[in-house]
Amino acid sequence: GDSVTQMEGPVTLSEEAFLTINCTYTATGYPSLFWYVQYPGEGLQLLLKATKADDKGSNKGFEATYRKETTSFHLEKGSVQVSDSAVYFCALDDKIIFGKGTRLHILP
Amino acid sequence: DTGVSQDPRHKITKRGQNVTFRCDPISEHNRLYWYRQTLGQGPEFLTYFQNEAQLEKSRLLSDRFSAERPKGSFSTLEIQRTEQGDSAMYLCASSLGSGTAYNEQFFGPGTRLTVL
Repeated sequence: GDSVTQMEGPVTLSEEAFLTINCTYTATGYPSLFWYVQYPGEGLQLLLKATKADDKGSNKGFEATYRKETTSFHLEKGSVQVSDSAVYFCALDDKIIFGKGTRLHILP
Repeated sequence: DTGVSQDPRHKITKRGQNVTFRCDPISEHNRLYWYRQTLGQGPEFLTYFQNEAQLEKSRLLSDRFSAERPKGSFSTLEIQRTEQGDSAMYLCASSLGSGTAYNEQFFGPGTRLTVL
């Protein structure tokens, strides 16, 4: 069945460091792909999405490109801030299939 | 606040008791979803409604679980004869969906269930 695999956390970085959180998926057909974020004490929020191959989703300085050839949707940000500390979930399709989440800690 | 709301936010119950959770979606949203999230895991899809019709149920949704959305607005999720393995965060989400096109799901804060 469909599934999502994302890198284990926690990931700890210094402020202004470059961030990559890897995500790969297994799916039949052509799913939509998402990154969701859960800030401490808050509900899940959609961070960005891509609905077809080679689409790039972007929001708040984060980007991810839908790579069909490598079945990947890696999340990147060029310069992280303390306020980016959260749990990030890669997900696919409509009745969303989530990865296990990657907890990100940014040190000032 | 016009977001998705869930009630209660926390529920502690003894094994064998029944519990019911409520979700109020964003008012114009026709789709409503329930997910379960256990510690260290991502949310798992349980079921979803389009208006009052329950269109899909996950195999995770055992016979002890039942969900309703009687008037196509709020929804309830009931767990009968709770077990310790039911302890989790139960998340509700809503969206304005049409056909097979994806529309952003907006999540509520969740109800954390602890079964003693």
